Amino acid sequence: AQSVAQPEDQVNVAEGNPLTVKCTYSVSGNPYLFWYVQYPNRGLQFLLKYITGDNLVKGSYGFEAEFNKSQTSFHLKKPSALVSDSALYFCAVRDPRGARQLTFGSGTQLTVLP
Amino acid sequence: NAGVTQTPKFQVLKTGQSMTLQCAQDMNHNSMYWYRQDPGMGLRLIYYSASEGTTDKGEVPNGYNVSRLNKREFSLRLESAAPSQTSVYFCASSDSGTYGYTFGSGTRLTVV
Repeated sequence: AQSVAQPEDQVNVAEGNPLTVKCTYSVSGNPYLFWYVQYPNRGLQFLLKYITGDNLVKGSYGFEAEFNKSQTSFHLKKPSALVSDSALYFCAVRDPRGARQLTFGSGTQLTVLP
Repeated sequence: NAGVTQTPKFQVLKTGQSMTLQCAQDMNHNSMYWYRQDPGMGLRLIYYSASEGTTDKGEVPNGYNVSRLNKREFSLRLESAAPSQTSVYFCASSDSGTYGYTFGSGTRLTVV
């Protein structure tokens, strides 16, 4: 079975500071990993994905994530946070040897303070 | 550039009433999904359809049925709504190439 953990329900960061949103996963094989963002009263929007290759993945809006196989982590990062980055962030995983559906974490509410 | 369209956006039902949530995608994706989102629980898979003509249960299928009407449309039916089904419902689609999902904007359902 595949699973995802987002250990922080809430992350607060000051505008201009770097931000990190944590994600750890569990799958039996090599994972496909994703980050999505949800703004209030909207659907989820794709940010970035790791399928294979370089462990550092760059995505939309200046976000990036680092795949760490030994720590089974896929933390989302941004060097300089913006107030407009405030949103709900979801990590998701898929075992490529299994069915196509993604398993999502419980979400992390990011608040960037002006 | 519609992507995934869900209707309705909001709905209030009385306990025991039935309704169907509609979902359509115009990206020629093979796979479609229904998730529910509840505070602190993330998104949980209700049902999915890997391809036209097939449907399978997800993590929380009880109280729901689905129909993959054609490649574009995947509907979710609540036969006898219960307050525990109060949630935000999201439809999504994917193809075998991108590995990720495109989501609809959601249906906020309240059962009283």
